[in-house]
Amino acid sequence: DTGVSQDPRHKITKRGQNVTFRCDPISEHNRLYWYRQTLGQGPEFLTYFQNEAQLEKSRLLSDRFSAERPKGSFSTLEIQRTEQGDSAMYLCASSFNPGVSKDEQYFGPGTRLTVT
Amino acid sequence: EDQVTQSPEALRLQEGESSSLNCSYTVSGLRGLFWYRQDPGKGPEFLFTLYSAGEEKEKERLKATLTKKESFLHITAPKPEDSATYLCAVRRYTGTASKLTFGTGTRLQVTL
Repeated sequence: DTGVSQDPRHKITKRGQNVTFRCDPISEHNRLYWYRQTLGQGPEFLTYFQNEAQLEKSRLLSDRFSAERPKGSFSTLEIQRTEQGDSAMYLCASSFNPGVSKDEQYFGPGTRLTVT
Repeated sequence: EDQVTQSPEALRLQEGESSSLNCSYTVSGLRGLFWYRQDPGKGPEFLFTLYSAGEEKEKERLKATLTKKESFLHITAPKPEDSATYLCAVRRYTGTASKLTFGTGTRLQVTL
């Protein structure tokens, strides 16, 4: 078990460019989550998948953001026409959900996005 | 709307000086309170999940407790390597939703 991995770890882009991040969850985990964290704040929920189905999206997720998990394994988060306010740490987490009560989410190292 | 408030915002302890961090929450239908540790520039590291009032869990120098309104993370005889930000989060299960709502964290510094 190698844990949740994210790529790239750091991304610097110019305003208006598109960026895409990848997350590989723990292999047997069926749920995958995306969060965003800014300096001095806790992570904020963006969206989550159960297998390949996207089950919930936050109001924070504007139409410039899109996430996919095409085969129920890795996921990508794309931000189109980036803005300076998109600068943040983007965190991916995964969990194995055998039932309602157990859903412990394990986080990856994050992708630090800087929009100049 | 779910709310999580952590206090203090920052805490400085000397090595061996025990203390507690507080997490107050408001959530309709709690389905788990989570504690994470986060080092600078890294993702949160899972510590504990508590599901019902009165529940306690321990790991090395850390002990987490839960009441109907708040949770405490007790740190006994801390060491410098315990320095980190400690995050509290709640989960309210509604249908398919399982997101975590986080507090802003307590930054702990342990000095020699």
